[in-house]
Amino acid sequence: QSALTQPASVSGSPGQSITISCTGTNTDIGAYDYVSWLQQYPGQAPRLLIYDVTSRPSGVSSRFSASKSGNTASLTISGLQAEDEAHYYCTSYTRTDIPWVFGGGTKLTV
Amino acid sequence: EVQVAESGGDLIHPGGSLRLSCAASGFTISNHYMTWVRQAPGKGLQWVSVIFNAGGTRYADSVKGRFTISRDTSTNTVFLQMNNLRAEDTAIYYCVRVGEGWFDPWGQGTLVTVSS
Repeated sequence: QSALTQPASVSGSPGQSITISCTGTNTDIGAYDYVSWLQQYPGQAPRLLIYDVTSRPSGVSSRFSASKSGNTASLTISGLQAEDEAHYYCTSYTRTDIPWVFGGGTKLTV
Repeated sequence: EVQVAESGGDLIHPGGSLRLSCAASGFTISNHYMTWVRQAPGKGLQWVSVIFNAGGTRYADSVKGRFTISRDTSTNTVFLQMNNLRAEDTAIYYCVRVGEGWFDPWGQGTLVTVSS
């Protein structure tokens, strides 16, 4: 069982917006502004999509945005494109002996 | 360019040992936290171990006492020594440079299969 809770799947049509939630506790998401989001295509390694809750690395489309409220983080993808179809994982730094925890992943179908 | 490249994955019998390597380039591993993350076939990501810039280490409960993370700063390489391997350790193992709020870059991973 994953420490952070994500929906197993979400879907949307091209051009629409979707939001993926990631729920933790006050020892991880709620404790720090250290949430990141990863994108993974089948057969490929994950890549960093969002870091420090809201920041995008260079090269990541502005269609990807993220936020946090309390113990829940969210990833929003606007103007959905076919190429966005992938798995998305959230992760958070924690104040426990286990420094980082992952969500179980969400499969996005476009 | 900042990169990591894993190697050392193999088919190994239960109870066996294996050492994974992670060659880093474009940055100095002793200035960063370096971590191993694994992904079992068809499953999600699981944090395994970290070596901090100061040299301290941490492990997931599932590997504590069996896995050891280390580094060689002269070759800018991180290692994961895996002993007493179990079927449930079967996964792709990724080496990742990590900060409190980010994991980047990711290598392509190395596959470890534990099976008799």
